[in-house]
Amino acid sequence: EVKVEESGGGLVQPGGSLRLSCAASGFTISGSYMTWVRRAPGKRLECVSYIYSSGSIYYADSVRGRFTVSRDNSNNTLHLQMNNLRDEDTAVYYCARAWDVVLEPAAKAHNWFDPWGQGTLVTVSS
Amino acid sequence: DIQMTQSPSSLSASVGDIVTITCRASQSIRSYVNWYQQKPGKAPKLLIYAASTLQSGVPSRFTGSGSGTDFTLTIRSLQPEDFATYFCQQSYSTPQLTFGGGTKVEIK
Repeated sequence: EVKVEESGGGLVQPGGSLRLSCAASGFTISGSYMTWVRRAPGKRLECVSYIYSSGSIYYADSVRGRFTVSRDNSNNTLHLQMNNLRDEDTAVYYCARAWDVVLEPAAKAHNWFDPWGQGTLVTVSS
Repeated sequence: DIQMTQSPSSLSASVGDIVTITCRASQSIRSYVNWYQQKPGKAPKLLIYAASTLQSGVPSRFTGSGSGTDFTLTIRSLQPEDFATYFCQQSYSTPQLTFGGGTKVEIK
């Protein structure tokens, strides 16, 4: 079965740090596109990081410079190191496998997320 | 960023109804739209990608349509297990993929 499972969420004070993990099974993360998506209370889903199979990483403006993604290929696990956390980082964080597929000749690839994990809650509060 | 405006934000329906959810993009995104379903406490699930292609294992009562700026997710003959929240997502501006605000489908 292809699946991902997040862990590492919790309560942290503003300015603090937390490290989330995403354990993958049924596929290898080293050759895959991956993503971290969050949903803050009352807000829509936000893609905070997009990891290309090449290893290049995109960060949303809201987290760039504070969040860092790394891959542990030996354990088939993706990590999200979150530093200098702010109240507005409070959210459920999801990990998902991303797909990059060309469906029509000479067209841009389509991208979608599947599967997703159930998410891990991060609460930033004093 | 490309904005995705999803409507309605919630709706009430009965088992057997036809439900239609729409997403409008702030610019043309051709067919670069995906649809997801999420139940409380569960992982989001991919239903449709590339506007109209049904993901493997998803019941055929789910259909997606549209191109350019206007997209629709239709659920024919709503089933009890379909009561959930549905999201659209644009993948035209990868890696800046953005989501609609969600539509909660509740039991009437």
